[in-house]
Amino acid sequence: ETGVTQTPRHLVMGMTNKKSLKCEQHLGHNAMYWYKQSAKKPLELMFVYSLEERVENNSVPSRFSPECPNSSHLFLHLHTLQPEDSALYLCASSQMGGNTEAFFGQGTRLTVV
Amino acid sequence: GENVEQHPSTLSVQEGDSAVIKCTYSDSASNYFPWYKQELGKGPQLIIDIRSNVGEKKDQRIAVTLNKTAKHFSLHITETQPEDSAVYFCAASEEMGSNDYKLSFGAGTTVTVRA
Repeated sequence: ETGVTQTPRHLVMGMTNKKSLKCEQHLGHNAMYWYKQSAKKPLELMFVYSLEERVENNSVPSRFSPECPNSSHLFLHLHTLQPEDSALYLCASSQMGGNTEAFFGQGTRLTVV
Repeated sequence: GENVEQHPSTLSVQEGDSAVIKCTYSDSASNYFPWYKQELGKGPQLIIDIRSNVGEKKDQRIAVTLNKTAKHFSLHITETQPEDSAVYFCAASEEMGSNDYKLSFGAGTTVTVRA
């Protein structure tokens, strides 16, 4: 077990739905990340939170809305998604300030229909 | 920003042979280079990493080499076994400012070890 837990593991949603992805880390890290993984493409960094503040937003559409209520929890709120948003969404955590390893969760496989 | 390129995209090797994956990066300031292995249905897991003050690092059957001048680094897996079959990603760190870093990933290499 990696210490980073993501729920749900699988999600199918319609384009008009609102859903949320949840990530929890038990490693005492102070930084959390959302990545999008599509087939045959590099992992795309979406959002970075350091000490519960967003420090990076990689031009992600507003239909994706992150929330970091504390250093252990990270959410990705989804609203009016498009079929091309179907992908594996990965959460990761690390210790900022040390340029160290990122630990990944198992991901949420999202399908937008 | 950092740009990481990874080759090959797929690699098939006979069990017992070696596998080599190569990556290049663009930001000469990058100083941390991890390698991740992703098995089906799982998230990526770190298998080895190297920092810019080291040219080579080895952990049992896995080794990584780094050439900072040429800005490339490679993963070497010796005596491959069926459980080495997975997708492998290289990454390079990029400073975001205020001593915060993020990783830029290569596109991945699907390794298949044939029995």
